[in-house]
Amino acid sequence: EAGVTQSPTHLIKTRGQQATLRCSPISGHTSVYWYQQALGLGLQFLLWYDEGEERNRGNFPPRFSGRQFPNYSSELNVNALELEDSALYLCASSPDGLWGYTFGSGTRLTVV
Amino acid sequence: GESVGLHLPTLSVQEGDNSIINCAYSNSASDYFIWYKQESGKGPQFIIDIRSNMDKRQGQRVTVLLNKTVKHLSLQIAATQPGDSAVYFCAEREGSARQLTFGSGTQLTVLP
Repeated sequence: EAGVTQSPTHLIKTRGQQATLRCSPISGHTSVYWYQQALGLGLQFLLWYDEGEERNRGNFPPRFSGRQFPNYSSELNVNALELEDSALYLCASSPDGLWGYTFGSGTRLTVV
Repeated sequence: GESVGLHLPTLSVQEGDNSIINCAYSNSASDYFIWYKQESGKGPQFIIDIRSNMDKRQGQRVTVLLNKTVKHLSLQIAATQPGDSAVYFCAEREGSARQLTFGSGTQLTVLP
């Protein structure tokens, strides 16, 4: 069974640009979570999607947004990039949002 | 609430010894807990989980203990190996929420 896949693995953007990160959950998982992990820090919850709807978001500004597609894959968009957005962005999926949270390897976003 | 990782505790153990990693969680309403292992540049890897109706759960070389009275979680690794060197995170989930809240992590270093 394929795990959670994220693309791209690395992304370099200029301040003010937009970044789009993608996540494919494990087959059969309907819940997708996005986390930000800045260098040397813990994981900060960004967004939770389930059945195509945004269910909850963390304490991040509106320029962090995303969506979930009918096949349950998800996109995270970060607009008006700032230097402090540089981080590892992790996606996790769960069959039902209750257990079995599995993470992908992340996308390393660098803003210059 | 969100995890704020300002300081990463470290634990150094000799190869072959047992390791104990501790975690104080924040929410008395949390009903599900997970330990993750994260190696440098990779996503968190599931180690073991425990529900709040249990005090102890064992896996292969790992044991998780839950003390709800003092809101404390521990991960015991038996016969620690060099491949166990990584950052270990505990995560909690409050029943009404679906996202995980992460602790700040502990850096485990296994000495030869």
